[in-house]
Amino acid sequence: EADIYQTPRYLVIGTGKKITLECSQTMGHDKMYWYQQDPGMELHLIHYSYGVNSTEKGDLSSESTVSRIRTEHFPLTLESARPSHTSQYLCASSSGPNSPLHFGNGTRLTVT
Amino acid sequence: KNQVEQSPQSLIILEGKNCTLQCNYTVSPFSNLRWYKQDTGRGPVSLTIMTFSENTKSNGRYTATLDADTKQSSLHITASQLSDSASYICVVSDRGSTLGRLYFGRGTQLTVWP
Repeated sequence: EADIYQTPRYLVIGTGKKITLECSQTMGHDKMYWYQQDPGMELHLIHYSYGVNSTEKGDLSSESTVSRIRTEHFPLTLESARPSHTSQYLCASSSGPNSPLHFGNGTRLTVT
Repeated sequence: KNQVEQSPQSLIILEGKNCTLQCNYTVSPFSNLRWYKQDTGRGPVSLTIMTFSENTKSNGRYTATLDADTKQSSLHITASQLSDSASYICVVSDRGSTLGRLYFGRGTQLTVWP
């Protein structure tokens, strides 16, 4: 079982609120990722990091931001949540490009 | 355009039966192909990873095959169990960057009935 944790599991908030989704891993992986997943659809990469102080935007345009101050921690922040941000957010890590991704159990976000 | 297509979209089988899920891809240049299992409300879990030179790889009752010439892969589940009910996602990685960009299919939703 992979040691990657996401909190909260579920979050319901009102429009305009600032939120931070937490993601931590204890495997020492340099590479970490944030994906967005809607029902019946493929995962879309929104942010990734090669290591500390390295962050890049993914394929899917997102108004969120990320930081990587410590190897084990990769939080995602939405400054002003909107209903269009309602989705499931999955965090993952890996040790290299040919290694499997280890996923957390996700945060299901609902913005009302 | 790099794409990953999975079929069928959904499948219902009886417990104890076998089934095969399909994945076709157009990703190039190819690096590896992965199968993941995603239980409802959970993150995906890796089942197999196959590189260009590997034709088949097993993980318990799961056996994945790869035909790199026709760009097709299949996931065969033997003697299905109720716990196999999940979405099975095919993911293909290219060799275009150090990161190895990943292309995700939409998954096959498998339901196993008692």
